[in-house]
Amino acid sequence: NAGVTQTPKFQVLKTGQSMTLQCAQDMNHEYMSWYRQDPGMGLRLIHYSVGAGITDQGEVPNGYNVSRSTTEDFPLRLLSAAPSQTSVYFCASSYQGANEQYFGPGTRLTVT
Amino acid sequence: GDSVTQMEGPVTLSEEACLTINCTYTATGYPSLFWYVQYPGEGLQLLLKATKADDKGSNKGFEATYRKETTSFHLEKGSVQVSDSAVYFCALSPSYSSASKIIFGSGTRLSIRP
Repeated sequence: NAGVTQTPKFQVLKTGQSMTLQCAQDMNHEYMSWYRQDPGMGLRLIHYSVGAGITDQGEVPNGYNVSRSTTEDFPLRLLSAAPSQTSVYFCASSYQGANEQYFGPGTRLTVT
Repeated sequence: GDSVTQMEGPVTLSEEACLTINCTYTATGYPSLFWYVQYPGEGLQLLLKATKADDKGSNKGFEATYRKETTSFHLEKGSVQVSDSAVYFCALSPSYSSASKIIFGSGTRLSIRP
């Protein structure tokens, strides 16, 4: 049982480049979400999904796209990276309505 | 809207000292309350939780009591260890949310000196 996995662990992008952050879970959780963590601001919700084919926006969705084609995977896409997207990104999952979320190890992204 | 406010860090203590990290919340209805911990280089882990007023969550020597009258959920430990050095996040899950949304505080960095 690997839990929640994220790749890559570190990434450096130039402004305007695109990339996809990968997230997968093997716990058959319905709910998956993406957060970004910035100093002094805690974690802010970017997008979330309550099941395959269903996604919705969180607190800070601009500049990010998501899709959920399977229960296991929830990739986060940056279409045109900006320096303001430099952050640590965490993926999390849980059973629907279970409150407790399980977090991946994070991806540290730097945009220059 | 719903929010969580926790004391700013960093907090530096000597080993075996007593710890309190304050947390207050604003929410409608009866949210669930959590403390998550983030060790260096890792993701967040649930430390403890409480789902209704007067509940006490506890784990690894840490405790927090859900106080509705003061809208607080302070984290306490009687004797801290070097291994407790981490960032601690207070969080809530709104009672109206049908999904597993969690609202986090800004985090408190704790450092324990040997």
